[in-house]
Amino acid sequence: QKEVEQNSGPLSVPEGAIASLNCTYSDRGSQSFFWYRQYSGKSPELIMFIYSNGDKEDGRFTAQLNKASQYVSLLIRDSQPSDSATYLCAAHSSYKLIFGSGTRLLVRP
Amino acid sequence: DGGITQSPKYLFRKEGQNVTLSCEQNLNHDAMYWYRQDPGQGLRLIYYSQIVNDFQKGDIAEGYSVSREKKESFPLTVTSAQKNPTAFYLCASSAGLNQPQHFGDGTRLSIL
Repeated sequence: QKEVEQNSGPLSVPEGAIASLNCTYSDRGSQSFFWYRQYSGKSPELIMFIYSNGDKEDGRFTAQLNKASQYVSLLIRDSQPSDSATYLCAAHSSYKLIFGSGTRLLVRP
Repeated sequence: DGGITQSPKYLFRKEGQNVTLSCEQNLNHDAMYWYRQDPGQGLRLIYYSQIVNDFQKGDIAEGYSVSREKKESFPLTVTSAQKNPTAFYLCASSAGLNQPQHFGDGTRLSIL
C-alpha cells in the first residue's frame, strides 16, 4: 500500500517565524508532489506543486523535494496567524494522488 | 468565474435511502474525482474519471456509484449499501491525471 506520512502536529510557531512542514512518501515511482492548505471545515486549497528535485519558491512558500530520500517539505516564511491551518501533502502514484493525513500548523500572534 | 460547484452543502440520509451529490465544473477539465474525508484523516479516493463515459474505482468504491455523461458533471450516489456514509465528500478536477487537482467546497453527509 503506497503511503504518504506526515506528523499530525500541532506545529506551533510564533508570528514572523519560518514554519517547516515535512512529508515522506513510499512510492519511489512518484513524480509529482502537491501541498494543500485546509482550513477547519473547508475544502483543500492547492498552494504548491513540485516535480523536480530541489527548491521551488512562490512568494512566502518554498517547496523542497529530495527524491533520493523520498522527502518533501514546505517552508512558510514570515508566518502569519492566517496561515494557521492543516497542511496536506500529496504524492502522485500511478493514476491517483495519495494524501497524507495532514499537519496542523498554529501561528501564535 | 471558473470553478467547481458542489451541492448541496449539507445532506442528511435516512436508513435505506440512496442520495446523490452533485459536482459541476466549468474549468474544461478532462479528469474528475470524488474523495471522502473523515475527521482527522487524509482524503481517500472513491472514484475517478479521465474522460466522458468512462470512470474507474478508487480505493473505497464499495457502496458508491458515479456517472460521467457530460464533461462538466460527475455526480456521486451514496447507496444504502454504504453502511458508514457520514463524512465530508470532496469533488476535484484536473486538466489531466498527473496535473494539479482543484477542489469544490464539499458536501457534508450525515445519517438521520
